Amino acid sequence: GESVGLHLPTLSVQEGDNSIINCAYSNSASDYFIWYKQESGKGPQFIIDIRSNMDKRQGQRVTVLLNKTVKHLSLQIAATQPGDSAVYFCAEIFPTGFQKLVFGTGTRLLVSP
Amino acid sequence: KAGVTQTPRYLIKTRGQQVTLSCSPISGHRSVSWYQQTPGQGLQFLFEYFSETQRNKGNFPGRFSGRQFSNSRSEMNVSTLELGDSALYLCASSLSASNEKLFFGSGTQLSVL
Repeated sequence: GESVGLHLPTLSVQEGDNSIINCAYSNSASDYFIWYKQESGKGPQFIIDIRSNMDKRQGQRVTVLLNKTVKHLSLQIAATQPGDSAVYFCAEIFPTGFQKLVFGTGTRLLVSP
Repeated sequence: KAGVTQTPRYLIKTRGQQVTLSCSPISGHRSVSWYQQTPGQGLQFLFEYFSETQRNKGNFPGRFSGRQFSNSRSEMNVSTLELGDSALYLCASSLSASNEKLFFGSGTQLSVL
């Protein structure tokens, strides 16, 4: 079936470290990707997006890298803070007639003070 | 601007019952999507509505249905509830029908006993 990412791994980092969260997407024709952050008891929150004609995009403390050759996305968080602790999902837009956002299973980020 | 609002926040039902969940999108947003989130399956797409029309539907049985009203508010209904329907049901809205940059509500946590 459709899938983005695999299992739900956990990444544990110390406050102030840089974090890198990885994601494998499934459809080589997908042309738009989004990273979401989901805190406990809340819905996913948009972080950053990237289109397939780019390989890097930077936001505030976050950078997304796209490697279309190996169908891989990564989210880099600089100077990770305890408030960054959450589950992070990557998602891709399938280029069908009716666009549909397909989510991965997510990565849990734990930041220790 | 208020975010996506979902009601109720929590719901407990028994097998065989039916349930209706409500979603009010961000003002001005005309596209509403529904997702089911479970620990085992992650975020699974249910359906998307735009201008009161269902544009896309995920791989769920016919017991899952939805609709959208002229004010863009949406409801989803699950009939003949099964234990496996226990999940967090998330609604997301976007400005356009392209389904990009979804903004999520906090969800309705449904427990089926």
